[in-house]
Amino acid sequence: DAKTTQPTSMDCAEGRAANLPCNHSTISGNEYVYWYRQIHSQGPQYIIHGLKNNETNEMASLIITEDRKSSTLILPHATLRDTAVYYCIVRVGGATNKLIFGTGTLLAVQP
Amino acid sequence: EAQVTQNPRYLITVTGKKLTVTCSQNMNHEYMSWYRQDPGLGLRQIYYSMNVEVTDKGDVPEGYKVSRKEKRNFPLILESPSPNQTSLYFCASSPGRDRDNEQFFGPGTRLTVL
Repeated sequence: DAKTTQPTSMDCAEGRAANLPCNHSTISGNEYVYWYRQIHSQGPQYIIHGLKNNETNEMASLIITEDRKSSTLILPHATLRDTAVYYCIVRVGGATNKLIFGTGTLLAVQP
Repeated sequence: EAQVTQNPRYLITVTGKKLTVTCSQNMNHEYMSWYRQDPGLGLRQIYYSMNVEVTDKGDVPEGYKVSRKEKRNFPLILESPSPNQTSLYFCASSPGRDRDNEQFFGPGTRLTVL
């Protein structure tokens, strides 16, 4: 699986948009970009995923650059409950179907 | 409600005393997996199962066993636990192995082996 690089930590003011970057310069054409988050040792929670096009759901938006070497997760109106570690994962299918979690970005939403 | 459940959520045990952590999903998913999470090492896959009676080793299978007799259940068995198996364990499930499928995670089991 392609390696991802994320900032260790970020701050965001409550009510503002949180933009979390991820670099995945070695991504291959059939690899999806997934975002999960983990709130204080709870089970990782799926947020969004995409292959080439930008994606949006009720939780967030995912912007993938045209060359697919980087992406940005956008939480449009961050709340205190969005404080968590956010993981960017580049995933190939295959037999194991495993997700390789890196160290992620600790997003701290400030009141 | 679609979910993955794990029991127990917390367990403190002693070296060598066999234990089982149960995992159950109500989404009729074919694929299930166990991960462990340790500080500085992230989540690592222990075992996975692609369907009933089909299981295989992940990255860190030593000291663990699994079984998949029913589609909904995937228990993790520690025959003789050791202190290095003290960790936070997560069960996950997904509809299949396709890379376009999200994985749903359980709430976690925090295991301490003394």
